[in-house]
Amino acid sequence: AQSVSQHNHHVILSEAASLELGCNYSYGGTVNLFWYVQYPGQHLQLLLKYFSGDPLVKGIKGFEAEFIKSKFSFNLRKPSVQWSDTAEYFCAAVRPGGYQKVTFGTGTKLQVIP
Amino acid sequence: DGGITQSPKYLFRKEGQNVTLSCEQNLNHDAMYWYRQDPGQGLRLIYYSQIVNDFQKGDIAEGYSVSREKKESFPLTVTSAQKNPTAFYLCASGISGGGTGELFFGEGSRLTVL
Repeated sequence: AQSVSQHNHHVILSEAASLELGCNYSYGGTVNLFWYVQYPGQHLQLLLKYFSGDPLVKGIKGFEAEFIKSKFSFNLRKPSVQWSDTAEYFCAAVRPGGYQKVTFGTGTKLQVIP
Repeated sequence: DGGITQSPKYLFRKEGQNVTLSCEQNLNHDAMYWYRQDPGQGLRLIYYSQIVNDFQKGDIAEGYSVSREKKESFPLTVTSAQKNPTAFYLCASGISGGGTGELFFGEGSRLTVL
């Protein structure tokens, strides 16, 4: 079965620290990948996405992610986190085209300490 | 303003009662989804619909039912058969049939069974 794994469940960082959240997927073949963010009290929103092309994708608020096909990974990074980045982050994957369901990881809660 | 509206935001019910959560979208999306979010378990797919009058079970459909009579609407009924209904429920929509898989989410409905 297709699955998405996020190995970091809860991450605590000080402001200005660098962030990397892991995401691995089990799909074979072509896959579209996403990172969504859920700030406290807000709805889930798209942070960034990868469909094809340059494996390093940039999203909103200084986030980026790198698609490494050989490792089935799509890790999220930010060079310097801010207190406002405190949120829950979800990785998601789907096979493009057709009628495919989107699969989410279990999420990573990031807490940034001022 | 285009978006997804879920109601009610908070709902309490007694054991043995059915309850229906509303989801309406004006994004002209064909696909709509219901996810359940529990701490540490991420988003789990309950039901999804790629087109009007058609829907498929997701990973945790037992104890839930849906209908898709209109493109804009995808209500979810949590029945008394659902053994652990207290949760946060998220509705989403997206482009189906060749879409990228990007989803747009509502603000969620928090159901508490007393």
